[in-house]
Amino acid sequence: DIQMTQSPSSLSASVGDRVTITCRASQGIDRYLNWYQQKPGKAPKLLMYAASSLQSGVPSRFSGSGSGTHFTLTITSLQPEDFATYYCQQSYSSPRTFGQGTKLDIK
Amino acid sequence: QVRLQESGPGLVKTSGTLSLTCIVSGGSIRSNNWWSWVRQPPGKGLEWIGEIDHSGSTNYNPSLSSRVTMSVDKSKNQLSLTLTSVTAADTAVYYCARDLMGGNYLLSDYWGQGILVTVSS
Repeated sequence: DIQMTQSPSSLSASVGDRVTITCRASQGIDRYLNWYQQKPGKAPKLLMYAASSLQSGVPSRFSGSGSGTHFTLTITSLQPEDFATYYCQQSYSSPRTFGQGTKLDIK
Repeated sequence: QVRLQESGPGLVKTSGTLSLTCIVSGGSIRSNNWWSWVRQPPGKGLEWIGEIDHSGSTNYNPSLSSRVTMSVDKSKNQLSLTLTSVTAADTAVYYCARDLMGGNYLLSDYWGQGILVTVSS
């Protein structure tokens, strides 16, 4: 199985801040990387696929980059609704493994 | 707008069988999509259980493959998940999701709201 490791595991930030979350794969996965946002008690929501393609309806303050084994999700100008947990997931091979999550909370 | 709705028992006895269904509305299960099941133990991260397509082809997570069965009922437009010999470690919120190809890339764009299944004796 491909192991996905996110850092940091948790992050405190303020409204208006720029934050970056990192996801590393245990082997190369080209650009087969999705990002999801999850709020308490809710299902995950797709933010990004193919490492940097923004899902329809997702605000442009979200951006993704990377390929191979190193990926980042950046949120510019944090909004109150962005405080949530973020997961990366590789879709390069089965099983489609997730990172352990990064909890973003308000400083 | 595709909607998915999980249903099933919220409590399953230890060593018993967990059985869930996922009704798909606003879209056909016969479409050229895969359908995934994902679970999340309370307070923990997401675990991909497996996927199935409209023809019944499956891919399971090897960590669960000896206990998991997925199926589709095209007449009811629904998916099913069965997990046998459950233990407390199988206590989780279970989600079904639609998988879509974005170019060459597979993504899960629609999710059910999830159902909490507790395993207890």
